[in-house]
Amino acid sequence: AQSVSQHNHHVILSEAASLELGCNYSYGGTVNLFWYVQYPGQHLQLLLKYFSGDPLVKGIKGFEAEFIKSKFSFNLRKPSVQWSDTAEYFCAVNTNTGFQKLVFGTGTRLLVSP
Amino acid sequence: NAGVTQTPKFQVLKTGQSMTLQCAQDMNHEYMSWYRQDPGMGLRLIHYSVGAGITDQGEVPNGYNVSRSTTEDFPLRLLSAAPSQTSVYFCASSYSRTGAAGELFFGEGSRLTVL
Repeated sequence: AQSVSQHNHHVILSEAASLELGCNYSYGGTVNLFWYVQYPGQHLQLLLKYFSGDPLVKGIKGFEAEFIKSKFSFNLRKPSVQWSDTAEYFCAVNTNTGFQKLVFGTGTRLLVSP
Repeated sequence: NAGVTQTPKFQVLKTGQSMTLQCAQDMNHEYMSWYRQDPGMGLRLIHYSVGAGITDQGEVPNGYNVSRSTTEDFPLRLLSAAPSQTSVYFCASSYSRTGAAGELFFGEGSRLTVL
């Protein structure tokens, strides 16, 4: 069965610091990869996604993620975080079989101090 | 745009009570699903539907029932609530059933406490 690991459960950064959140998955076949973000009191929304092509994916609000197939990883990055990036971030993985097979990681809570 | 609407946002139940969490979407999405979010466990799929009249079980279906009589609505029923069902519930939808074609749109969540 597929699984997704997010190793950092809580991250605290100061504004302007760089961010990298790890995501590793276990599945040997073709995968679709997602990062969702949940701002305090709000619903989850899509940050970025990878289906195929360029392994460096750019999303909203200056976020990007790099798919490294050999490492089964899809790490999220942002060069300079802002206080407004305080949120919980979820990595998710599925195959082309559909959203019913979408597996979420346990999430990483990011706190950015001003 | 309303998107995905969930009601109620908060609910407290006693063990053994029943209730229904409502979910409606106005985007004509064929795929709808229910997740529960628990600390340290991420989101886990309870039930899903790929179209009106079609439902199936997800990862953690026990204790929950669903139906999909219309494209817009996908209610989640707890027939006899248990403390283990204390959680935050999210409804999500997508215009396509496949992950390669789209993204999930989430509701704002329903926080349920079972005493």
